Amino acid sequence: EAGVAQSPRYKIIEKRQSVAFWCNPISGHATLYWYQQILGQGPKLLIQFQNNGVVDDSQLPKDRFSAERLKGVDSTLKIQPAKLEDSAVYLCASSLDPGSSYEQYFGPGTRLTVT
Amino acid sequence: QQPVQSPQAVILREGEDAVINCSSSKALYSVHWYRQKHGEAPVFLMILLKGGEQKGHDKISASFNEKKQQSSLYLTASQLSYSGTYFCGTDNTGGFKTIFGAGTRLFVKA
Repeated sequence: EAGVAQSPRYKIIEKRQSVAFWCNPISGHATLYWYQQILGQGPKLLIQFQNNGVVDDSQLPKDRFSAERLKGVDSTLKIQPAKLEDSAVYLCASSLDPGSSYEQYFGPGTRLTVT
Repeated sequence: QQPVQSPQAVILREGEDAVINCSSSKALYSVHWYRQKHGEAPVFLMILLKGGEQKGHDKISASFNEKKQQSSLYLTASQLSYSGTYFCGTDNTGGFKTIFGAGTRLFVKA
């Protein structure tokens, strides 16, 4: 079974520029997560989708971050404008169901460097 | 509420055992354990659900103490491949949100 796909793997941008990340979850997985992982820390949930709808986006900085999930499958996460503190690995994960009794499958991540 | 993991880091020799703890200030409904190797994505190890069950596979097992609001991950007879950062993820909401701890860095040397 194919895993969670993410692109690009690496991105370097200057502050105030915009950037977008793409994620394709495992086929059939209803729930999709975007995490931000700063070096040396655990993954921090930014947004959680159940099919097309948002389940939780309480930690998404909505003044600069946006995310959408098209037709309940692929998802994009955008940052506009980027700040230096946005430098991190952005992980996408998916699970069969939103319940916490279901394991999450993580993609390889996108390493963002903001200079 | 982010769970607290301890220790922050541990160094083992091959064959030694280790215990990693994960504590929550609120009631727990489930605990996830993941391992992340440097530069790679976190990989699922196991989930423990409310009810105090203990799970395990191979030489890695975990317990869930509902009263103490904590979980422990046990690694026995450690192998070089066990090196990495171990994260616990806890659900205090009753089923929909998992929050990850800061991680425990484990290094196994020959």
